[in-house]
Amino acid sequence: QTVVTQEPSFSVSPGGTVTLTCGLNSGSVSTSYYPSWYQQTPGQAPRTLIYSTNTRSSGVPDRFSGSIVGNKAALTITGAQADDESDYYCVLYMGSGIWVFGGGTKLTVL
Amino acid sequence: QVTLRESGPALVKPTQTLTLTCTVSGVSLSASGVCVSWIRQPPGKALEWLARIDWDDDKYYSTSLKTRLTISKDTSKNQVVLSMTNMDPVDTATYYCVRVYTSSCHFDPWGQGTLVTVSS
Repeated sequence: QTVVTQEPSFSVSPGGTVTLTCGLNSGSVSTSYYPSWYQQTPGQAPRTLIYSTNTRSSGVPDRFSGSIVGNKAALTITGAQADDESDYYCVLYMGSGIWVFGGGTKLTVL
Repeated sequence: QVTLRESGPALVKPTQTLTLTCTVSGVSLSASGVCVSWIRQPPGKALEWLARIDWDDDKYYSTSLKTRLTISKDTSKNQVVLSMTNMDPVDTATYYCVRVYTSSCHFDPWGQGTLVTVSS
């Protein structure tokens, strides 16, 4: 069974830089999985941040960036702000019309 | 501007069938390239992709739930319908419908979601 892995939690200081990752229990993540990232605050629907590995969705600040780092997809937040404190989800496209989400990372800014 | 709005029962009993409707505005479900998915999120847990339907009526389902799911669309009403049979308390979740961009394999925009509780 395919499992998409994310750090359960992460902490960053205001103004700092943090990289969240998105991996596979078996194998490497590549651009062929079209990794995308979503931000969710409590009680709200997710918001699209990054798609196709590194394309920012409309209106997303450029302090958010996506990449492949080693064998994982990565979301980097540069110059973290208080309102970046959220849950972050990655999702990978497995082909044949099927996607699998990661378990999400709870980011704390303090 | 494309918007999606979910509707359906807030409470269903175990073993019942859940039927949810996603009303899409701003784009026609019959237009080439338009696809819609359903995604759910149990309280305090992660997102889970469920199903997708395309403009040409191709359908795709989560491997783990495909025996219980049916996705369909009514182009006259511009609505996508998801049915899930044999509901269980573990199916309690917020259910979202989203537009799918198949060229880049991502979801945007998201509906506001509808919370479904399974309880007797």
